[in-house]
Amino acid sequence: GDSVTQMEGPVTLSEEAFLTINCTYTATGYPSLFWYVQYPGEGLQLLLKATKADDKGSNKGFEATYRKETTSFHLEKGSVQVSDSAVYFCALSFSGGYNKLIFGAGTRLAVHP
Amino acid sequence: ETGVTQTPRHLVMGMTNKKSLKCEQHLGHNAMYWYKQSAKKPLELMFVYNFKEQTENNSVPSRFSPECPNSSHLFLHLHTLQPEDSALYLCASSQDLLGADTQYFGPGTRLTVL
Repeated sequence: GDSVTQMEGPVTLSEEAFLTINCTYTATGYPSLFWYVQYPGEGLQLLLKATKADDKGSNKGFEATYRKETTSFHLEKGSVQVSDSAVYFCALSFSGGYNKLIFGAGTRLAVHP
Repeated sequence: ETGVTQTPRHLVMGMTNKKSLKCEQHLGHNAMYWYKQSAKKPLELMFVYNFKEQTENNSVPSRFSPECPNSSHLFLHLHTLQPEDSALYLCASSQDLLGADTQYFGPGTRLTVL
């Protein structure tokens, strides 16, 4: 079945460090890919998305590129801040049909001053 | 603020209680969702409604009973729950059901079953 796999956390970084959170997927078709972020005590917010191969989603300094050949959608940021501390979820859904999101398990990021 | 509100934010109930969770979206969307978020598990889709009609019940036990009186409101009625039902329950909405529309999430209700 369709699934999303994320690197296990927690990821602990110092402020201004480079961030990579790995995400790979298994899908029978060509899904759209998403990164959602959940700050402490809040619900999920869409961070960025990409709807087709080689698309790059970006927002708030975060980027992720849809790589069909490696079935990946890794999240990157060049310089993290303490305020980026949150749980990050990778997810997929299929454009042509039912809007059903399939999530990875989430990766917790902790950024220290 | 995502335009999706949920009440209450926290709920503690015994196994014999009956309670309801409420979700309201102010975005003019047509589709609404209930998700369960348990510790160390991926988010689980529970129910989907489109134009007030239930389109998916993801093998959820009958002790969870959803209700969608209109496109803006979604309820989750709870009765005779088990301790393993303790989790964060998230509501979401999207413009439509078809396509990869962005889903907007509420802050969730943290449920504890004693």
